[in-house]
Order: sequence, then structure tokens, then C-alpha cells
Amino acid sequence: DVKVTQSSRYLVKRTGEKVFLECVQDMDHENMFWYRQDPGLGLRLIYFSYDVKMKEKGDIPEGYSVSREKKERFSLILESASTNQTSMYLCASRSPGGAGYGYTFGSGTRLTVV
Amino acid sequence: GESVGLHLPTLSVQEGDNSIINCAYSNSASDYFIWYKQESGKGPQFIIDIRSNMDKRQGQRVTVLLNKTVKHLSLQIAATQPGDSAVYFCADSTSGTYKYIFGTGTRLKVLA
Repeated sequence: DVKVTQSSRYLVKRTGEKVFLECVQDMDHENMFWYRQDPGLGLRLIYFSYDVKMKEKGDIPEGYSVSREKKERFSLILESASTNQTSMYLCASRSPGGAGYGYTFGSGTRLTVV
Repeated sequence: GESVGLHLPTLSVQEGDNSIINCAYSNSASDYFIWYKQESGKGPQFIIDIRSNMDKRQGQRVTVLLNKTVKHLSLQIAATQPGDSAVYFCADSTSGTYKYIFGTGTRLKVLA
């Protein structure tokens, strides 16, 4: 069974901390994505990577950065955590080829910034 | 910007009845659509997809209908079961793009 694994299910961090969210996929997918999910707002794209060392900003990249040093791993970094970054973070990967291939999502990391 | 929306935030159905969850999309160039199911505390799971050259696709107990004329998508669940209780949301994409536009979700509650 193919998997996207997010390293933490729950995290509590203090304001100003640097936070790393890790995501690993075992499907040899080129494309990987980070979303945040908030009630009433749905899923919003933060960053995505279409290949190793490649990254592009999504719709809400402010306050975040990413790293993709290996194909299977895509990390989301909160440079200086703030309370408005409290959210559910979802990682996804996808086989390339444009439309026609859905995402496989991880189970999510619920981050609380206090 | 483009958006995918849902008509009803919460849908309650009796166990054994059929459920219909609706979705409107705004991008006329969208050519691929997916329905996801998200159970509490879990990530979204793929249910069924449909391409724009089709208007109906069936899976196991689920059917997706696509009406491109009015940019409307629906998910039908036959003989709804307690295990179907979850949030359902649709997403659309356009060939040549990397990302999907997601709706905000409809919560399906199955009543015993």
C-alpha cells in the first residue's frame, strides 16, 4: 500500500520557534505538496515541489519555507512560528502527468502555536 | 480567483438511505475532478474521480455525476452506512497544472 507519512500527528510549539514538519512518501512521486486546512477555509496550498530541489510558492507561502533535498522527503519550515499558524497541515504527493492523477495525502499534523 | 464550493455544509441521512453531496466549480477549463473523504483525525482519502469527457462514473456504492454545462459535480452514496460519516470535498484541476482547487467540505452524518 502506498504511503505518505508525516512525522508528527500533534505538535505544540511556542511563538517564535522554528518548526520543521516532515513528510516522506514511498511512491517515487515527483510532485509533493503542503497544504494547511482550516475550518471554513478548506485546503490552501502553501508550497509545492515538482521535483528534487525544485519548489514553487502556493497561495499562502508567507511565513513558510520548504526543502526538498531528496525525492521522497518534503519538509515544511515555519521560520518563526506565530499563533495564526495554528492549523492542520497536510502533505500530499502525486504522480506527474498533469490532471488525471489524484493526490495521496498523509494523515496530517495538527500544530498548535502558543 | 477560481473556487470550488459546496452547497450544504452538513448533510444528515438515515442509515440505508442514499446520500447526494453537491459541488459547484467555477473554472470552465477544469478537466479533472476528484471526491475525497476525510474522517476525523485523518488525512483525505481518494474516493472517485472523473474526467471532463465523461458525465458519469460509478464505483463501489458511489457514483459521481458531472454537468459541465452548469459546472456542477455531485457524489451519490448508495445505502449509506455509519462508516460513511465524514467530511466530503471535491477538487478540480486543469491539465498542465500541478495543483487542485478544493472545496470547503460537506459533513455527512449518518443517523442510526
